[in-house]
Amino acid sequence: GAVVSQHPSRVICKSGTSVKIECRSLDFQATTMFWYRQFPKQSLMLMATSNEGSKATYEQGVEKDKFLINHASLTLSTLTVTSAHPEDSSFYICSARMGISGNTIYFGEGSWLTVV
Amino acid sequence: AQSVTQLDSQVPVFEEAPVELRCNYSSSVSVYLFWYVQYPNQGLQLLLKYLSGSTLVKGINGFEAEFNKSQTSFHLRKPSVHISDTAEYFCAVSDPYNQGGKLIFGQGTELSVKP
Repeated sequence: GAVVSQHPSRVICKSGTSVKIECRSLDFQATTMFWYRQFPKQSLMLMATSNEGSKATYEQGVEKDKFLINHASLTLSTLTVTSAHPEDSSFYICSARMGISGNTIYFGEGSWLTVV
Repeated sequence: AQSVTQLDSQVPVFEEAPVELRCNYSSSVSVYLFWYVQYPNQGLQLLLKYLSGSTLVKGINGFEAEFNKSQTSFHLRKPSVHISDTAEYFCAVSDPYNQGGKLIFGQGTELSVKP
């Protein structure tokens, strides 16, 4: 079946530094990818919708300058957390949409970010 | 706007017993409905989805769900659970015409299967 891979699965960074998380669709082209954030024991909150070749669409309350999203190819979207702070520590999950309709979505394994 | 409510945050159940995880949604338009399972420290795995057609949807691992439009519900059921079903379960909804692939998740239900 289709696979979406995230890298790294776990990362620890120092406050003030930036960290990049990659989301790849391994065996299909994904014109649209989504980035979610999940706090421990909580649900997933959509951060932004990433469209290949265009600017990402951010949800209300998400700082676009802090969470930079780049969807440079049909198989890769990246999320860069800039000037990270401890409150940015979270589980970040991406998903990729196969095809044009919205009924075939595959999720990555998630990336744990810890900012110390 | 769409929203999803999972009525139970935790559901403890004994092994081989039946289980139902409840999900209600609100939407002014047609919806796609999904159930996902998340094992500790992992991403999400699709259990089943309702797009159209038969209101009873069968998924993986013996799970099924029934779409009830009048009650705006999409409850997940399994007739006999296993220890390995212990996980977090999320109900999600999307608007197929305007938001292709953008999912709104419920708060999650922690299913704990005890021997």
